[in-house]
Amino acid sequence: RKEVEQDPGPFNVPEGATVAFNCTYSNSASQSFFWYRQDCRKEPKLLMSVYSSGNEDGRFTAQLNRASQYISLLIRDSKLSDSATYLCVGTTGNQFYFGTGTSLTVIP
Amino acid sequence: DAGITQSPRHKVTETGTPVTLRCHQTENHRYMYWYRQDPGHGLRLIHYSYGVKDTDKGEVSDGYSVSRSKTEDFLLTLESATSSQTSVYFCAISPEGGVTEAFFGQGTRLTVV
Repeated sequence: RKEVEQDPGPFNVPEGATVAFNCTYSNSASQSFFWYRQDCRKEPKLLMSVYSSGNEDGRFTAQLNRASQYISLLIRDSKLSDSATYLCVGTTGNQFYFGTGTSLTVIP
Repeated sequence: DAGITQSPRHKVTETGTPVTLRCHQTENHRYMYWYRQDPGHGLRLIHYSYGVKDTDKGEVSDGYSVSRSKTEDFLLTLESATSSQTSVYFCAISPEGGVTEAFFGQGTRLTVV
């Protein structure tokens, strides 16, 4: 079983829509969580960290539910530039475990 | 952007030849990682380092070796390249391992023919 699992999508949404991604993790000892964004043929880039209290950065909101072992990312008012693959990440010890990514396409 | 450079950026090599990929950082971060990314598998850890001369295996370490003789450099060697090692290889660095975020290099696209 993979440490971190996420729905690969693809998600195709119109501009201005709200879209949510969920991700589950299997190791209850995982300590830190992140969302990364990866554009086609580019390196992953940190989008935001995820905290139990929830955190928001502009149109993006991330949540962590330790009891149910899932993390989520909500994107409001989607822009064309949000089109990318979104990777959820959990860490255990010194290692980072990546989901396979969820593809998002925002349509004009 | 984090100061992390991978070289070469693209390489085509023949089956059975050794190949070395280099990751160089200017951030003085303790942790360095090598991942490969393949369709359907996402990013998988090959090896990582938690200090000079301190390394450990990841999920897909068979056929790969690493060395870290200086804080700033982490080398990945494919001892005898096979077609199954055709992939995109990413190096990542992190100041505190799994406690803080990781930053990625631009990747090396390796083709083994």
